[in-house]
Amino acid sequence: EAAVTQSPRNKVTVTGGNVTLSCRQTNSHNYMYWYRQDTGHGLRLIHYSYGAGNLQIGDVPDGYKATRTTQEDFFLLLELASPSQTSLYFCASSGYNAETLYFGSGTRLTVL
Amino acid sequence: GDSVTQKQGQVTLSEDDFLFINCTYSTTTYPTLLWYVQYPGQGPQLLLKVTTANNKGISRGFEATYDKGTTSFHLQKASVQESDSAVYFCALVDYTGNYKYVFGAGTRLKVIA
Repeated sequence: EAAVTQSPRNKVTVTGGNVTLSCRQTNSHNYMYWYRQDTGHGLRLIHYSYGAGNLQIGDVPDGYKATRTTQEDFFLLLELASPSQTSLYFCASSGYNAETLYFGSGTRLTVL
Repeated sequence: GDSVTQKQGQVTLSEDDFLFINCTYSTTTYPTLLWYVQYPGQGPQLLLKVTTANNKGISRGFEATYDKGTTSFHLQKASVQESDSAVYFCALVDYTGNYKYVFGAGTRLKVIA
């Protein structure tokens, strides 16, 4: 069974704070994605990657950086967090040829 | 780029009612259309996939079809149960460049026993 693990599950920070969300997949997948989920907007793509060292810009990238250090690990960085970034964040992975997208359990981030 | 529109924000049904959720899509390539389901406290998981090759997908009593003429795709179930209460997302695989998955806004289904 494919596995995507996110940490932390919950995070509270203050405006201007520095936050790193972590994601590890053990699926041997090439593609990894970061989404945010907000009511009325569904899942919106922040950044994605097709391999270690690669980074692609998604649809809502402003205020976020990402880094893919290995095949397994993908990080989302908020260097100056703002209340508008309060959201539920999901990491996901997939193989080539539009295989199933596997999601983690999410990280709920609150920026005060 | 590719896009998906899902307008039904919330649907409330009674057990054994018929479920129908509709999405419209826009793509310049042959579409791969997906339905994901998200239960409380979990990440979304794949429910069904529909392509131009199969035209229809069936899983767990749910059926997904698409209409190329109206560029729409549908999720339906003949008789919903309380356990089907969840958020349902339609999605499209965007093949332009690297693989991206474009999601609709989601439909929250509440089934009353």
